[in-house]
Amino acid sequence: NAGVTQTPKFRVLKTGQSMTLLCAQDMNHEYMYWYRQDPGMGLRLIHYSVGEGTTAKGEVPDGYNVSRLKKQNFLLGLESAAPSQTSVYFCASSYPPRQVGYEQYFGPGTRLTVT
Amino acid sequence: LAKTTQPISMDSYEGQEVNITCSHNNIATNDYITWYQQFPSQGPRFIIQGYKTKVTNEVASLFIPADRKSSTLSLPRVSLSDTAVYYCLVGDPQAPDMRFGAGTRLTVKP
Repeated sequence: NAGVTQTPKFRVLKTGQSMTLLCAQDMNHEYMYWYRQDPGMGLRLIHYSVGEGTTAKGEVPDGYNVSRLKKQNFLLGLESAAPSQTSVYFCASSYPPRQVGYEQYFGPGTRLTVT
Repeated sequence: LAKTTQPISMDSYEGQEVNITCSHNNIATNDYITWYQQFPSQGPRFIIQGYKTKVTNEVASLFIPADRKSSTLSLPRVSLSDTAVYYCLVGDPQAPDMRFGAGTRLTVKP
């Protein structure tokens, strides 16, 4: 099993450009999450999904959109990138918490720089 | 969501036991306590989760007093490879939006 994979690993954008980050998981997890982590800080939840076709806002959703068209994939979009979105982005997935506890499996991260 | 407070950093030496305490005074009845570990340039990794008393697995132990207003992650006989940031999360397992704080940066020295 590859677990949780993220594409791309690194990206540099100019202000105003758009891009999509792809997250894929092969563990048949219902729940998927997108976080951002700024230097020296903990992770902050951007959006999450509790199943195919569903999405919900997390702590810092502004400037981002997400889609979960397939159970195994969760896409994070930046429509008009801003320097404040320079960060490391982590995707995670999990079973529904009520079934087997609350363990999230994280991907390796995408380092995004917006100039 | 329960607010958590952890030390910003801790130092230890190889072979010692390390205890990291997390305060969560406003923990709710349905909340569980979960700890994650994060190495540089990697995503966090689940360590342990508990509700009350003591939980132990092959990596760590989690001690939770009766009032549940704090918890202690115990790492036995740490090695250099345990140098990482450790996060304490408190929340309802049925709510998917648990919050990561700033964590505790543990440095293990030879």
